[in-house]
Amino acid sequence: KAGVTQTPRYLIKTRGQQVTLSCSPISGHRSVSWYQQTPGQGLQFLFEYFSETQRNKGNFPGRFSGRQFSNSRSEMNVSTLELGDSALYLCASSYSGSGTDTQYFGPGTRLTVL
Amino acid sequence: DQQVKQNSPSLSVQEGRISILNCDYTNSMFDYFLWYKKYPAEGPTFLISISSIKDKNEDGRFTVFLNKSAKHLSLHIVPSQPGDSAVYFCAARNSGNTPLVFGKGTRLSVIA
Repeated sequence: KAGVTQTPRYLIKTRGQQVTLSCSPISGHRSVSWYQQTPGQGLQFLFEYFSETQRNKGNFPGRFSGRQFSNSRSEMNVSTLELGDSALYLCASSYSGSGTDTQYFGPGTRLTVL
Repeated sequence: DQQVKQNSPSLSVQEGRISILNCDYTNSMFDYFLWYKKYPAEGPTFLISISSIKDKNEDGRFTVFLNKSAKHLSLHIVPSQPGDSAVYFCAARNSGNTPLVFGKGTRLSVIA
């Protein structure tokens, strides 16, 4: 099976712009979660989608949003970019997103905000 | 409030010796725990997991121990190899549709 893919891998934007990141989960996986990783902060949970519905949301401002399509692919959008949004954005997929279901991560999108 | 803590930011171990990475958690509702390994410029890779009904799970060179009363888990790597050099993240969740909570990671360096 192909793994989780994320596009683009690298992105440079300027403050005030918006950005859309894409994630294609492993075939058959219906849950997609997004995380932000910054130096020294570990992985911070952004949100999770399951069957096109947002099921969980982390403690991030409303500038961060996402959606999931019927084929389970997901996008996340960040509007009005700030310098502090520079980070590695990781997407993870799992079959159901619950219980002992394991999440598998994509390679991430490195976003730099200038 | 950090619910999952990895108090050692870094660890150096000689090749062939045991590496022990530690993780503490505060939320008593957590009942499923995972370890991920991350190389630079790559996403985290799942290593091993353990359910709260067990106190040990083993997979090849990797063993995870869970001490529920102390709210502590550890990952043992024996023998350590240079390719094990990476950042290791501990994660936890409770059963149900709740997100994984990650620690901040421990950077392991295995010296040849």
